[in-house]
Amino acid sequence: DAGITQSPRHKVTETGTPVTLRCHQTENHRYMYWYRQDPGHGLRLIHYSYGVKDTDKGEVSDGYSVSRSKTEDFLLTLESATSSQTSVYFCAIRIGETQYFGPGTRLLVL
Amino acid sequence: DQQVKQNSPSLSVQEGRISILNCDYTNSMFDYFLWYKKYPAEGPTFLISISSIKDKNEDGRFTVFLNKSAKHLSLHIVPSQPGDSAVYFCAASANDYKLSFGAGTTVTVRA
Repeated sequence: DAGITQSPRHKVTETGTPVTLRCHQTENHRYMYWYRQDPGHGLRLIHYSYGVKDTDKGEVSDGYSVSRSKTEDFLLTLESATSSQTSVYFCAIRIGETQYFGPGTRLLVL
Repeated sequence: DQQVKQNSPSLSVQEGRISILNCDYTNSMFDYFLWYKKYPAEGPTFLISISSIKDKNEDGRFTVFLNKSAKHLSLHIVPSQPGDSAVYFCAASANDYKLSFGAGTTVTVRA
């Protein structure tokens, strides 16, 4: 257990509304990541952070923004949700060369 | 363009027998490889990893083999148990620590 929690665990929203997902860690790890999981694609990196206020884009960053104002929290925001952003979202932290994942947030955009 | 490929979407194996999961990659810069196990409605759980300087790593019932010249790795589970029924993801990273994942293989262990 890497001490990662994600909230909410489930969310249903409507197209065009903003949505923020939260990832919280308790062990002050520097690196944090957001992935999405879709059938046939495995997990794909959205954004990552290498410290407070230090973030960078991943493979599928369009339509997403992130913020990290505290070491323990990494927020993922969908500025205007679309149906293509219906997915399961996982947060991860890095320890050494290995990433450890949170329990996930299931998001449905109607 | 997917840099990590798991070409078998599913695998069915009898309890007690060996499970062999395969993974191919295209990026020659990858130098660290991992396997994750995922149950429904849970996050992926780290299983085992291997650095590119090795060709084998073993942890209990799990062994990962790396063939760099073929850009291929495999995960062996011996003996397979009912609790091993899950989706298994292969992942790889270069020195930037960003993971690229395969699409996953669903393993079903039959009693």
